[in-house]
Amino acid sequence: AIQMTQSPSSVSASVGDRVTITCRASQGVRNDVSWYQQKPGRAPSLLIHSASVTQTGVPSRFRGSGFGTDFSLTISDIQPEDFATYYCLQDFDYPLTFGQGTGVDLK
Amino acid sequence: EAQLEESGGELVQPGGSLRLSCVASGFSFRHYWMHWVRQAPGGGLEWVASIRQDSSEKFYVDSVQGRFSISRDNARNLLFLQLDSLKVEDTAIYYCVKERVGGHFDYWGRGTLVTVSS
Repeated sequence: AIQMTQSPSSVSASVGDRVTITCRASQGVRNDVSWYQQKPGRAPSLLIHSASVTQTGVPSRFRGSGFGTDFSLTISDIQPEDFATYYCLQDFDYPLTFGQGTGVDLK
Repeated sequence: EAQLEESGGELVQPGGSLRLSCVASGFSFRHYWMHWVRQAPGGGLEWVASIRQDSSEKFYVDSVQGRFSISRDNARNLLFLQLDSLKVEDTAIYYCVKERVGGHFDYWGRGTLVTVSS
């Protein structure tokens, strides 16, 4: 199975900061990576697909990049509503695998 | 807009069985791969199972292979997950998820809680 190693596991930030989360795949997955945001008590929601394509309706401060094994999600000018947990997912091959998650909280 | 609503989660004893259901609306259900994803209390997301549009292909995470079975009824826009031989470690919220063409998950249900405990 392809492992998705996500880091950091948690990060503290102030409103207006830039936050970067990374995922490393244990083997190449082309650009078959998506990113999800989950707020407490809610289902996850899609932010980025195909490594770098922002889902319709998602603010432009969310940016994804990467190809092959190394991927990142950057939140520029983080806003209060962005404090949540973020997950990467590889859908290149079964079993589909998520990263361990990154909790972003207010410093 | 697509909507997914799960049901069927409850408290069950180890070794027991449950059948989860998901009713889909707002999109052409029969045209999309569908999935189940779970999340243990305080834990991360784990993909559980997937089913092709015509049910000709099904995939499972190793930990549920042989115990869980995914199925669908395209005439009634329903997705199912049969859970047998349940273990304590199967305790989780189970989400019904729609796959957008290209492999990623664009719509999620609110989830249904399965608790396995004696």
